[in-house]
Amino acid sequence: QKEVEQNSGPLSVPEGAIASLNCTYSDRVSQSFFWYRQYSGKSPELIMSIYSNGDKEDGRFTAQLNKASQYVSLLIRDSQPSDSATYLCAVRPPGGKLIFGQGTELSVKP
Amino acid sequence: GAVVSQHPSRVICKSGTSVKIECRSLDFQATTMFWYRQFPKQSLMLMATSNEGSKATYEQGVEKDKFLINHASLTLSTLTVTSAHPEDSSFYICSALRETQGYEQYFGPGTRLTVT
Repeated sequence: QKEVEQNSGPLSVPEGAIASLNCTYSDRVSQSFFWYRQYSGKSPELIMSIYSNGDKEDGRFTAQLNKASQYVSLLIRDSQPSDSATYLCAVRPPGGKLIFGQGTELSVKP
Repeated sequence: GAVVSQHPSRVICKSGTSVKIECRSLDFQATTMFWYRQFPKQSLMLMATSNEGSKATYEQGVEKDKFLINHASLTLSTLTVTSAHPEDSSFYICSALRETQGYEQYFGPGTRLTVT
């Protein structure tokens, strides 16, 4: 079992819809969770961090964390073509290095 | 968010030469920085962890004598690719750790290295 798992996609949604990206992790003691966006040919950009169970909202982005289920998700409301990118879920266990999922490719169709 | 810069953004060098890449955290001090490599359509691969004032820690399979890392200050880490070969051509990305709640990690824009 991979330490951080994401569906590779591609996930295709129409413009204006909600995009839902999911991630599961295996290390139950992990405390910090992150979502990065990576455009093709560019480096990753941190868009959300979440540390407590529940929802965290920032603009059109909402991160959701459920530690009991070892599950973290990212919702993108009112998806735009400019949101088309690969979204990386990353998890840091206590005192450890950031562990990335393989990424989910999102395509928002006009 | 925090700002991490990298220089150069793109470099072409001849086989056998050395190339130095600089990574700077512009608006915070970073005791720890990381160097990654990414090949097209592949995942990020951590090469090494750079700690200010001490030796870098390399991941398994990464040659420390080929990829020299120096973290001389709290805002600067450098990666030198020595005796570069075409197979070293890749996208090299640094990352700096901001030691706030959750230890957020910010990436530089990357350096695209082409060895001819």
